[in-house]
Amino acid sequence: EPEVTQTPSHQVTQMGQEVILRCVPISNHLYFYWYRQILGQKVEFLVSFYNNEISEKSEIFDDQFSVERPDGSNFTLKIRSTKLEDSAMYFCASSEGGPESPLHFGNGTRLTVT
Amino acid sequence: AQSVTQLDSHVSVSEGTPVLLRCNYSSSYSPSLFWYVQHPNKGLQLLLKYTSAATLVKGINGFEAEFKKSETSFHLTKPSAHMSDAAEYFCVPPRGSYIPTFGRGTSLIVHP
Repeated sequence: EPEVTQTPSHQVTQMGQEVILRCVPISNHLYFYWYRQILGQKVEFLVSFYNNEISEKSEIFDDQFSVERPDGSNFTLKIRSTKLEDSAMYFCASSEGGPESPLHFGNGTRLTVT
Repeated sequence: AQSVTQLDSHVSVSEGTPVLLRCNYSSSYSPSLFWYVQHPNKGLQLLLKYTSAATLVKGINGFEAEFKKSETSFHLTKPSAHMSDAAEYFCVPPRGSYIPTFGRGTSLIVHP
């Protein structure tokens, strides 16, 4: 069964550095998402992406964050200048489209900001 | 608008006993609903979805859920719990025009 894959599985970075988290969604999916989960807390929506543009974003997704689909397969989340509080698991998801399409998640990237 | 309520933050069962995770919804029309599971250090995985085709929906890993309009419920059940079922479970309305969010979920604890 096709999967959403995320790389790297772990990323350690220093405060103020830029990081790029990478995702390869399922190939025929049209909607893409990023979520994050701070340790011990709930899964929080960051952003959704459709037709090469952001369709929805949360308050968390401020100017430090950006997303891109640089080619036909990758979907990236960039954090421009990381802060300690950005430490979390970041999950990418994709779906075929439509309100009844389930989300398919990757296994996440654990980001640690020191 | 659709919303769901998971009535229990934690459910604790013994291995081999039945599992019941409760979810109630509020909607002015017949909803679509999903159950997802998150195992430790993993992403969320779809367990099953209800889209009005059948009231009893079978999912993966032996789980099923029954949509009961009279009770506005979509509870998740499994006849016999395994240790590997220990995880966080989320009842979620469909995306529609809403930001797809996951609440706190129900933590299932399975004792040997």
